[in-house]
Amino acid sequence: DIQMTQSPSSLSASEGDRVTITCRASQSIRGYLNWYQQKPGKAPKLLIYAASTLQSGVTSRFSGSGSGTDFTLSISGLQPEDFATYYCQQSYNTPYTFGQGTKLEIK
Amino acid sequence: QVKLQESGPGLVKPSETLSLTCTVSGYSIGSGFYWAWIRQPPGKGLEWIGSVHFSGRTYYNPSLQSRVTISADTSNNQFSVQLSSVTAADTAVYFCARGGAGSCGGECYGHWGQGALFIVSS
Repeated sequence: DIQMTQSPSSLSASEGDRVTITCRASQSIRGYLNWYQQKPGKAPKLLIYAASTLQSGVTSRFSGSGSGTDFTLSISGLQPEDFATYYCQQSYNTPYTFGQGTKLEIK
Repeated sequence: QVKLQESGPGLVKPSETLSLTCTVSGYSIGSGFYWAWIRQPPGKGLEWIGSVHFSGRTYYNPSLQSRVTISADTSNNQFSVQLSSVTAADTAVYFCARGGAGSCGGECYGHWGQGALFIVSS
């Protein structure tokens, strides 16, 4: 299985900040990397797919980059609704695997 | 507007079989995309269980493959998962989801059900 490792596991930031979350794959996954946001008691929401393509309806404050094994999710101008847990997922090989999550909290 | 809704009993006894159905509205499951099951134990991360392609082909997580079956019922626009010989480790919120763009390999999930909690307990 391809292991997905996110860092940091948790992050404190203030409204208006810019934050970056990193996801590293245990082998090359080319550009098959997706990012999700999950709030408590809710289903995950797809933010970015194929490493850098913004899902329809998602604010452009979210952006993604990377290829191969190293990827980043950036959020600019943090808003109250952005405080949530973020997961990366590889869709390169089955079993499709997720990172362990990064919890973004208000400072 | 695509909507997915999980249904099934919320409590299952150890060693029994967990059965869940996802009812889809707003899109015909036989027309395209992958249709997946993903679970999340309480307080933990996400685990991909498997998926069924609109062609009928299925894909499973090897860690569950000996116990899991995913099937599609295009006449009722539903797809289902069965997980046999359950233990407490199978207690989780189970989500159904629809795959997406070919540029993500088809298995990035832009549409999700609300999730259903299944508890394994005697």
